[in-house]
Amino acid sequence: GAVVSQHPSRVICKSGTSVKIECRSLDFQATTMFWYRQFPKQSLMLMATSNEGSKATYEQGVEKDKFLINHASLTLSTLTVTSAHPEDSSFYICSASGGQDSYTFGSGTRLTVV
Amino acid sequence: QKEVEQDPGPLSVPEGAIVSLNCTYSNSAFQYFMWYRQYSRKGPELLMYTYSSGNKEDGRFTAQVDKSSKYISLFIRDSQPSDSATYLCAMIRNDYKLSFGAGTTVTVRA
Repeated sequence: GAVVSQHPSRVICKSGTSVKIECRSLDFQATTMFWYRQFPKQSLMLMATSNEGSKATYEQGVEKDKFLINHASLTLSTLTVTSAHPEDSSFYICSASGGQDSYTFGSGTRLTVV
Repeated sequence: QKEVEQDPGPLSVPEGAIVSLNCTYSNSAFQYFMWYRQYSRKGPELLMYTYSSGNKEDGRFTAQVDKSSKYISLFIRDSQPSDSATYLCAMIRNDYKLSFGAGTTVTVRA
């Protein structure tokens, strides 16, 4: 089955620094990748949608300058949290779609900003 | 009103019991329905995918869709402690984004 690899699984960073999270589709080409944020005991909140080679589309209320998304190839998308602050601490999950109504999720990244 | 409504629970059942989960939705354009299982601090894992009204079985799991009532269900037979997780229903929107329910937290007691 389709596999999406997300790294790192856990990261702790100092306030003011930037953190990059990678999402790779291992055995299929992901024409579209989605980035979600999940707070404890809550459902997934879509942050942005990215298509290979084009700019990401951000959901309302998501700061595009803080959450930089790059989808440079059909197998890799990255989310960079810039100038991270404690309120950015959360669980971030990517999802890759290769079409045909398939959506495969990564294992998530727990970001803690201290 | 949310597009997808799901009771967050929590739901606690004894081992071997049938777990019954459900979601309602308001958008009649939804055609594709999924159930995901999410263990703590992990990404969601696809359990069931269906697009037509009726039942679909896969091992101990049965997904049920009633488009006329805009109601979907997931049943887990012979539940095991390893089934303890959060279960999320999801539907594909016209813009190909997923619309999720709130997720139901299930605990199966040994």
